[in-house]
Amino acid sequence: DQQVKQNSPSLSVQEGRISILNCDYTNSMFDYFLWYKKYPAEGPTFLISISSIKDKNEDGRFTVFLNKSAKHLSLHIVPSQPGDSAVYFCAASANSGYALNFGKGTSLLVTP
Amino acid sequence: DTAVSQTPKYLVTQMGNDKSIKCEQNLGHDTMYWYKQDSKKFLKIMFSYNNKELIINETVPNRFSPKSPDKAHLNLHINSLELGDSAVYFCASSHGGPSTDTQYFGPGTRLTVL
Repeated sequence: DQQVKQNSPSLSVQEGRISILNCDYTNSMFDYFLWYKKYPAEGPTFLISISSIKDKNEDGRFTVFLNKSAKHLSLHIVPSQPGDSAVYFCAASANSGYALNFGKGTSLLVTP
Repeated sequence: DTAVSQTPKYLVTQMGNDKSIKCEQNLGHDTMYWYKQDSKKFLKIMFSYNNKELIINETVPNRFSPKSPDKAHLNLHINSLELGDSAVYFCASSHGGPSTDTQYFGPGTRLTVL
């Protein structure tokens, strides 16, 4: 049972525009959410996180929005750059556990 | 100087063999993890160790045995390899648990069982 879902396997965006990656979760105990970025043949690298006490966290071009009532979070990248082309994983955890639950990933392609 | 390193990067072996994957982190973290990414690209937790003590053991066949000789190392030994074990295995580490600290991943080990 996938508790974290990324329903869009791929997304293509033009350079300079906004990329919006979406993630839904089912477990109401999740209180910490992260986005990881992965290039081919490399491990995932941490991008940005948000605690359930917030609804927005911003770091440079990256902003994560959390809608707890909808159990939905999104990652906004603006402006998108070709170097942002990668697979983006959404992950979530509950305070009581040590496991991260990952989504299946969304492959982002930013075209020049 | 790589923060989380894994060896080997690629491993090709026959069914029935026993193999090990090594992981080392030089971040001074207390918690280490093993994840499996299967052919469907799902990244799933297998094990987690905190200060050399096993704290997570998901539904993984007992052919898989993690060993943590010290806080900086978490090795994964697999007995009697099966075709379904073919996957990319990622090691990760964090200072505390995932609810408090970011996990840092190694580059992965691609295991192919023939």
